[in-house]
Amino acid sequence: EAGVTQSPTHLIKTRGQQVTLRCSPISGHTSVYWYQQALGLGLQFLLWYDEGEERNRGNFPPRFSGRQFPNYSSELNVNALELEDSALYLCASSLIEWGTQYFGPGTRLLVL
Amino acid sequence: GQQLNQSPQSMFIQEGEDVSMNCTSSSIFNTWLWYKQDPGEGPVLLIALYKAGELTSNGRLTAQFGITRKDSFLNISASIPSDVGIYFCAGQDLGAQKLVFGQGTRLTINP
Repeated sequence: EAGVTQSPTHLIKTRGQQVTLRCSPISGHTSVYWYQQALGLGLQFLLWYDEGEERNRGNFPPRFSGRQFPNYSSELNVNALELEDSALYLCASSLIEWGTQYFGPGTRLLVL
Repeated sequence: GQQLNQSPQSMFIQEGEDVSMNCTSSSIFNTWLWYKQDPGEGPVLLIALYKAGELTSNGRLTAQFGITRKDSFLNISASIPSDVGIYFCAGQDLGAQKLVFGQGTRLTINP
């Protein structure tokens, strides 16, 4: 069974640009979660999608947004990039709402 | 953001030694999870705990869900080089609909 996949693996952007990250959950999983992991820090909860709806978000500004598609894959969009947005962005999925979460390999974003 | 208190922050041990790390919180959690993260990769689930007092093993790993629901520990017995990495605890708060992570324990093993 394939795990959670994310693309791209790495990205380099400049301040003010916009970026879109993609995630495909484990087959059969309907909930998708996004986390930010800044260098040397723990994981901070960003967004939770379930059945195509945004169900909860962490303490991040509105320029962090996303969506979930009918096939349960998800996108994370970050507008007006700032230097401190440089981080590893991790996607996780679960079979049920807030069931055990399984993580993808992440997308490493560098903002210059 | 909210985080758990995970300790120690780092450990330097000899191969073959046992390892113990723990997490504490001021909040009650419904589920405790332990993940391992290798450099540049996503966290991999090691053990999930769903009931207060539960003691669960996965090979050389043993974890317990504290009776107060506010703490958990992870033990690794007879460490081997592939145990190197960062270990994270995570508490699941269903009411707040969030998974809260500890700051991580970085494990280094001297051969």
